[in-house]
Amino acid sequence: GAVVSQHPSWVICKSGTSVKIECRSLDFQATTMFWYRQFPKQSLMLMATSNEGSKATYEQGVEKDKFLINHASLTLSTLTVTSAHPEDSSFYICSARRTGGLYEQYFGPGTRLTVT
Amino acid sequence: DQQVKQNSPSLSVQEGRISILNCDYTNSMFDYFLWYKKYPAEGPTFLISISSIKDKNEDGRFTVFLNKSAKHLSLHIVPSQPGDSAVYFCAAKAGNYQLIWGAGTKLIIKP
Repeated sequence: GAVVSQHPSWVICKSGTSVKIECRSLDFQATTMFWYRQFPKQSLMLMATSNEGSKATYEQGVEKDKFLINHASLTLSTLTVTSAHPEDSSFYICSARRTGGLYEQYFGPGTRLTVT
Repeated sequence: DQQVKQNSPSLSVQEGRISILNCDYTNSMFDYFLWYKKYPAEGPTFLISISSIKDKNEDGRFTVFLNKSAKHLSLHIVPSQPGDSAVYFCAAKAGNYQLIWGAGTKLIIKP
């Protein structure tokens, strides 16, 4: 159990367009989901914490108007990168904490975004 | 200000031997720690965790040791297998279920 999927697994888009990434918990409910970004050879950088039915909490330095997060159900959170620029190219990973569970986060496989 | 530190960027171990990955933390309020394994271009996979009320937790080949007085934890893998080659991250629980991550240690298992 505890499977998390992400879609798409990779995407190439043109500068100025928007891209939506979906994160789904397939076999459990997740009140809380997290969005991370990973740069090459670096650790995971938490971007925001997403709670079902409420506004996401963004980490310092992350533009909430650029990275829109919607957690509309207990199994789905979406991250929309608006007006993407080449510097937004990165590996985006979501994770989900099981509702009623402890602190383990279960991660999706990640989405590689390339902005040209 | 790194609250969770993994000071070894990489570690090379002979297959069949013990792998020991280390992690230090600075915040004495951390009360739950986790280890994750990550392959390139994939999301991390949860391995094992430990609460601060314990000093050891074991799951198959993986054992995590916690030394609260030294603010140090370690992950032991024995015996090491080729499939264990990956980047290992330790993490500590902060508020709101957030995890504070170390920088990772790349483990290489040599045949």
